[in-house]
Amino acid sequence: QAGLTQPPSVSKDLRQTATLTCTGNGNNVGYQGAVWLQQHQGHPPKLLSYRNSNRPSWISERLSASRSGNTASLTITGLQPEDEADYYCSAWDASLRAWVFGGGTRLTVL
Amino acid sequence: EVQLVESGGGLVQPGGSLRLSCAASGFTFSSYWMSWVRQAPGKGLEWVATIKEDGSETFYVDSVKGRFTISRDDAKNSLYLQMNSLRVEDTSMYYCARDTMTDWGQGTLVAVSS
Repeated sequence: QAGLTQPPSVSKDLRQTATLTCTGNGNNVGYQGAVWLQQHQGHPPKLLSYRNSNRPSWISERLSASRSGNTASLTITGLQPEDEADYYCSAWDASLRAWVFGGGTRLTVL
Repeated sequence: EVQLVESGGGLVQPGGSLRLSCAASGFTFSSYWMSWVRQAPGKGLEWVATIKEDGSETFYVDSVKGRFTISRDDAKNSLYLQMNSLRVEDTSMYYCARDTMTDWGQGTLVAVSS
């Protein structure tokens, strides 16, 4: 099953803004949107954004998600050391009848 | 508070079997699709299987079709993954996840090795 496309790594300076992207097609990201997950080393993934780009109430306002066509984006402003983690997007593919994941983006905060 | 607790992982030889369990609490289990997602050491997340809220349909990644079976027992608020004919490449941390990947357990480690 084909996956979603994410850049393998992004590096940004402390307090800067990072925008992570996730590209799929009309059967997955473009169909119902993508969720965003954060994973710190040795921990399970944690939801950052629902498919409709809404943020759970316990997630920092520094994070925001959006979608344009078949590409979903996650923007993190005012980068902090704790933002350094792996970020995954995932979407339900209506054609494959399967969940598809991106390969993940490792965010480094310099 | 939503809680998902996986169990049943361990070391098994190639060709062997394991049954993973996921005990759910803090939500109406019978109302939600549930999934298993795995992560090989040092690798990304890989979806394994999903079951509808009523158990009427199941979905699998191609690499486990015919070997793995996802099931649920709503009376016990539990999700299962029966894994047969295990291969070395099935070695991973296995997570259960609720609905549209909104909540995750801590995972259970499966190691397939001779």
